[in-house]
Amino acid sequence: SQQGEEDPQALSIQEGENATMNCSYKTSINNLQWYRQNSGRGLVHLILIRSNEREKHSGRLRVTLDTSKKSSSLLITASRAADTASYFCATGRGYNTDKLIFGTGTRLQVFP
Amino acid sequence: DTAVSQTPKYLVTQMGNDKSIKCEQNLGHDTMYWYKQDSKKFLKIMFSYNNKELIINETVPNRFSPKSPDKAHLNLHINSLELGDSAVYFCASSQELGISGGEISDTQYFGPGTRLTVL
Repeated sequence: SQQGEEDPQALSIQEGENATMNCSYKTSINNLQWYRQNSGRGLVHLILIRSNEREKHSGRLRVTLDTSKKSSSLLITASRAADTASYFCATGRGYNTDKLIFGTGTRLQVFP
Repeated sequence: DTAVSQTPKYLVTQMGNDKSIKCEQNLGHDTMYWYKQDSKKFLKIMFSYNNKELIINETVPNRFSPKSPDKAHLNLHINSLELGDSAVYFCASSQELGISGGEISDTQYFGPGTRLTVL
């Protein structure tokens, strides 16, 4: 069954603005990951946050995790047109051979 | 220097045919996966193999048969294709980084996808 749901489904912003995407999940997790998918391409791993972490940064990305609310957010600061893509959250239980369960994705459009 | 590659990139075929999609990873990973992404972009796991052994089989019709000749390859064979099989199929791989002194990670590396269209 689908684990994560993302909000909003689509987001349009101007270059330079910040973009915030939210993800909610249902069961207990070891970690939550964010992936980006450019149109017609495969997914690219962006960042992983573990269940004992509350916030993590990587470049212009900031991820928060609230395990009590079973939710996470991805913030992209100072967005660029090249950030236009779909963004997916995925939850993992921490086992290499286990599956990731993906959310429904947020389609981000950044206008120059 | 492609890490995870799939062939073909596009596959258009008639209902009832049998087709295969190939996946190869040169990352030295032990685990490989097949995902299906439907028209609504929902991505769902189908199979995973670890060292050529089937680990996950997610209620996929038995018309789908993965085959792993070695740990660098995981091919997907589909028999008697149906209209509903039209989707983008992604291969992925991952490697446990180790427990002692390191992190256990289930980060996955994805191939570019194969767009299957069944007419």
